[in-house]
Amino acid sequence: GDSVTQMEGPVTLSEEAFLTINCTYTATGYPSLFWYVQYPGEGLQLLLKATKADDKGSNKGFEATYRKETTSFHLEKGSVQVSDSAVYFCALPNSNSGYALNFGKGTSLLVTP
Amino acid sequence: GAGVSQSPSNKVTEKGKDVELRCDPISGHTALYWYRQSLGQGLEFLIYFQGNSAPDKSGLPSDRFSAERTGGSVSTLTIQRTQQEDSAVYLCASSLAGGRSDEQFFGPGTRLTVL
Repeated sequence: GDSVTQMEGPVTLSEEAFLTINCTYTATGYPSLFWYVQYPGEGLQLLLKATKADDKGSNKGFEATYRKETTSFHLEKGSVQVSDSAVYFCALPNSNSGYALNFGKGTSLLVTP
Repeated sequence: GAGVSQSPSNKVTEKGKDVELRCDPISGHTALYWYRQSLGQGLEFLIYFQGNSAPDKSGLPSDRFSAERTGGSVSTLTIQRTQQEDSAVYLCASSLAGGRSDEQFFGPGTRLTVL
């Protein structure tokens, strides 16, 4: 079935460092792709999405480009802040389950001052 | 506006007891999803509703799990004869129409602990 694989953490970076969290997908067709974030003590929330190949999703300085050639949707940010410390989940919808999301295992990011 | 709410926020129960978890989706959202988040299994899909109908129940872990939705709004997830492996955070999400690119809005979750 359709699935995503993302790099496992934890990832520890210093403030202002460059961030990449890798995500690759396996799917029939071209699903929408999502990044969700879970800040400490908070619920899951959408960070960004892309709905077709070559689309770039962006929000809060984060970006991810939907690349069908490499079946990837890597999350990047040029300069991380302490407030970016959170768990990040790559996800795609399962058309067999009302587009319920299949999530990656999550990548924990800790940004230190 | 109001987001997705869930109750209770925490539930501690004894093995063998039944529990009910409640989800209030965003008003007007037709699609509703239940997920389970645990350390060992990550985020797992359990069941979804379109309106009051649940076309796919294959994600439910066992026949001890059931769910319903009434009035196209509130949903209840029931776990009968709870087991220790049921301990997890149960998340509810809703989306406007359940489309392939629709954002799902998540509630804060119910943390279930089975002793």
